[in-house]
Amino acid sequence: DAGVIQSPRHEVTEMGQEVTLRCKPISGHNSLFWYRQTMMRGLELLIYFNNNVPIDDSGMPEDRFSAKMPNASFSTLKIQPSEPRDSAVYFCASSLLGTPYQPQHFGDGTRLSIL
Amino acid sequence: AQKVTQAQTEISVVEKEDVTLDCVYETRDTTYYLFWYKQPPSGELVFLIRRNSFDEQNEISGRYSWNFQKSTSSFNFTITASQVVDSAVYFCALPTSGTYKYIFGTGTRLKVLA
Repeated sequence: DAGVIQSPRHEVTEMGQEVTLRCKPISGHNSLFWYRQTMMRGLELLIYFNNNVPIDDSGMPEDRFSAKMPNASFSTLKIQPSEPRDSAVYFCASSLLGTPYQPQHFGDGTRLSIL
Repeated sequence: AQKVTQAQTEISVVEKEDVTLDCVYETRDTTYYLFWYKQPPSGELVFLIRRNSFDEQNEISGRYSWNFQKSTSSFNFTITASQVVDSAVYFCALPTSGTYKYIFGTGTRLKVLA
């Protein structure tokens, strides 16, 4: 079975540009999570969706960040305008909620560098 | 408040040595789950194990074993006869009560030297 698929794997762009990260969750999973990982702050949950509906976006750093999940098989995380401090590895994870605390399965991540 | 502490920032061992990674947690819940994840140098996060608070039996999977002790709020991970491929950062995680948000520890970087 295919795991969580993220694209692109690497993104380098200049400050001020719009960045869009993409995620395809595991088929049949009903929840999706976006994380950011940096050396300074470790793994931070940005937002999570249940059945395509955003449940908790309290981790989204500011209005420059937005996330959508238009259907069960696709989600985007957008940063506009990007800043150098947004440089990090962004992970998408999916899980099957309903049965408590099923493991989250992570994609390979997108390494984002903002120059 | 819930918390996960991985006090060991980095551990280096020589191949074939046994190594234990510590995880100490805090929670007021009577029912909870704990997880371990591995992040190899390639960067992905790999799920290793889930354990619920009702089951304090040790879990063994090949060279990996986990020791869960509610009395000390610890969920430690032991690798027996370590190999270079075990080199990675290992994270312990605890879902927050009432939500599906994980609290991750800060991770332990394990270096296995040939």
